[in-house]
Formats: sequence, C-alpha cells, structure tokens
Amino acid sequence: EDQVTQSPEALRLQEGESSSLNCSYTVSGLRGLFWYRQDPGKGPEFLFTLYSAGEEKEKERLKATLTKKESFLHITAPKPEDSATYLCAVQRRQLTFGSGTQLTVLP
Amino acid sequence: GAVVSQHPSWVICKSGTSVKIECRSLDFQATTMFWYRQFPKQSLMLMATSNEGSKATYEQGVEKDKFLINHASLTLSTLTVTSAHPEDSSFYICSAVPGLAGDHTDTQYFGPGTRLTVL
Repeated sequence: EDQVTQSPEALRLQEGESSSLNCSYTVSGLRGLFWYRQDPGKGPEFLFTLYSAGEEKEKERLKATLTKKESFLHITAPKPEDSATYLCAVQRRQLTFGSGTQLTVLP
Repeated sequence: GAVVSQHPSWVICKSGTSVKIECRSLDFQATTMFWYRQFPKQSLMLMATSNEGSKATYEQGVEKDKFLINHASLTLSTLTVTSAHPEDSSFYICSAVPGLAGDHTDTQYFGPGTRLTVL
C-alpha cells in the first residue's frame, strides 16, 4: 500500500526565516511525486512534479528535491503570502496524498 | 494555462435531494478527470476516476449508485450526489489531466472545489 507522511503537521515561521518541509513516501513503481499548495476553502494549486531521485525544481522562493525515500520542499526567506497548507502526493496508479503541512508565516 | 473550473462553488440542499456538480477544463482537453472529497483538516481522498466515453472507476467504499459520474466530453465531467444526507456534506474537488490517451503527462490540475452542505 502506498504511504505518504508529511512533517511537521504545522510550522510557524517569522518572515524571512527559511525552513524545509518533509515528505516521506513508500511506493513501488513511483511515476511521480507532486507538491501542491492549498489555501483554505480552495482546491490545490500545482507547484512541482519530480520524477527521479536527485531531481530538483525551483519556483520563486520554493525549491523541491527528491530522493528515493523522501522529498523536501525548501522555503527561502518566506513571506506572509506563502502561508498555506502544502500537500505532497505520490503517483503510481493514482495520486496518494499526505496529510499536509500547514505553514504560517508571521510578518 | 491548465485551468479547471467547478460549478457551483457552494450549495446547500435538503436531505433526500440530488445535487449535480460540474467540472470543466477551460483551456485543455482531458480524457481523464478525478473526483475527490475532503473533510475538514484532512487531506484529499480519491472517490473515482472519470474517463471520457466510458464508465467511471470508483474507489473501494464509494457507492457508485450514490455518486453518479458522467464524463460527457473532453472538457466536462459531472458528479451527482443522489439522495443526499447530512453525512455527504463535504468539500468536493475535481481534477483533470491535460492530454489525450497515450500522452504521458500525469500532472493533475485541480478545480476550486464545491462546498456541499446537506441539511
């Protein structure tokens, strides 16, 4: 059974305080690992897809990396508008989501 | 690009009535769409996979006679919650994968969600 575990469950940062979110996964035959951002009452917004260990992708203050067992979402110098729940999902036959990390960036 | 819309964004209905939710891909075609539900403070749970021109595939524990899915075209899928009850109250979210059969693009783009409240 595919499993995705995200940590921490919640993270509070001061504006400008860089940190990382973790996504550990167990899946056989990984087709892709996805990061999404979800704001309250909204659908997930696509951020990144990673396909193989060693791959990295960046978008503004966000950088996603992938190993054979986990993925990290690094947030550099976050701003209050980065506050959201960040979801990680792995794909084999379908997407299996983690429970998310709720990020709050304080001004 | 890759915009998905849902309608309505919220709906309140009485117990026993049926509710239809539409999911449209606005700027791309999608042979495959997905329907999820999300309870407060929980992650997304896949309900069913909707394939254009064929029957939907339901996940274990999801009643196909209660949650009717119709993938009418390459840009439209509908979810009908039949004989809704208060326990069906949830946030329903659809997603779509750009491309036609045989493509290898797997990224799902999500709609904004529909909040269903059954009284």
